[in-house]
Formats: sequence, C-alpha cells, structure tokens
Amino acid sequence: TQLLEQSPQFLSIQEGENLTVYCNSSSVFSSLQWYRQEPGEGPVLLVTVVTGGEVKKLKRLTFQFGDARKDSSLHITAAQPGDTGLYLCAGARNTGGFKTIFGAGTRLFVKA
Amino acid sequence: EPEVTQTPSHQVTQMGQEVILRCVPISNHLYFYWYRQILGQKVEFLVSFYNNEISEKSEIFDDQFSVERPDGSNFTLKIRSTKLEDSAMYFCASSEEGGYGYTFGSGTRLTVV
Repeated sequence: TQLLEQSPQFLSIQEGENLTVYCNSSSVFSSLQWYRQEPGEGPVLLVTVVTGGEVKKLKRLTFQFGDARKDSSLHITAAQPGDTGLYLCAGARNTGGFKTIFGAGTRLFVKA
Repeated sequence: EPEVTQTPSHQVTQMGQEVILRCVPISNHLYFYWYRQILGQKVEFLVSFYNNEISEKSEIFDDQFSVERPDGSNFTLKIRSTKLEDSAMYFCASSEEGGYGYTFGSGTRLTVV
C-alpha cells in the first residue's frame, strides 16, 4: 500500500515566521503535487514537481522534490494570515493510468 | 481561468437508489478523474479515464461504480445502489497531461440516508 505521510499534521505560528511542511513516502512518484484546500471546496493546485531535486518557487512558497522522487517539502517564508489553510501533497504514479494518492494534509494557522 | 464544473453541489438520496454525479472538465484536457473525500478524511482516488476508457481504478471503485463520457463535454460518475458509507464529497478533476497539473471541481456533497 502506497502511503504519503505529511508532517506536521497541525502548525500554529505567528505572522512573519518561516515554516516547512514535509511529505514523505517509501514509493517513487512520477510527479508530486501540492494543493491548498479550503473547507467545503476542491483542492487547488499550487505546484507540480517532476524531476528529482527540482526546486520551484511561487512567491514566498518554495517547493522541493527529493532526489529519489520519494519525498517533498514546502517552505513558506514570512508567513501571513492569508496562508492559513490545509496544505495537501499528492503523488502520481504512471501504472498505465495515473493513480494519485493524497497525504492527510497539514493544517496551518497563521496568527496576526 | 478555465474551471471544472460539477453538478449538483449537494445531493441527498435514499439508500439503494442510483445517483449520477456530473462534471464538465476543462475543454482541452484529455485526462479525467474522480476522487472522494469522506468528512474529515483524506482525498481518495477512485478512477482515471483517458481515451474513452478507464485507465486506472482503486479498490473503492467496485461494480457499483461506473463512469461515462456520454458526449464531448460531460464526464459522469454513477453509483448504482448507494450505501450509507458512500456519503462523501465527490470531486471531479481533469488534466492536460496524465498525472500532472490537475484542476479540481468544487465537488458534489452526496448524503445517503
């Protein structure tokens, strides 16, 4: 059974602090995606990484894919209250079709 | 910004009834997916669909489930005889390439009573 473990499950920080969220698996993925999900809504794609060691930046968010394509991290610099939400990682494997498995998510709360 | 549209947003159905959840994927996307999320739990993969056939399905996607692309724009999920445990948020997603850059719809909240 493929699993994606996200840590921490919950994070509460002050505005302006930096944070890192981790996504780990024993499986190799063809791509790794990060999403943000608001209550009652579908996940919204933030980024997809496909190459081992790849780093992508989206304003204050930095995403990294592990060299072995089994893990990933999301780093937020100078967090703001607007960053509050549920962050999900999801790994896709090409097994003929594309089955994507999701982590349980990291719930981030940024206090003003 | 192109979006994936799902209807209805909420559906309440009696146990044993059939339901059809509808989705309009983004027009130039070639890969289509259904996921579900039981309240408070992970998003779970159900099925992926490409070139008018199922390309991958999970253990959840048993004989009670089926998908169809009846025309050039709609993508439907049918649950033949609903059970209480089918109550969940069902999300449709589409992508231009397989396993890359999914756009999710806002979901259909299915409640089986």
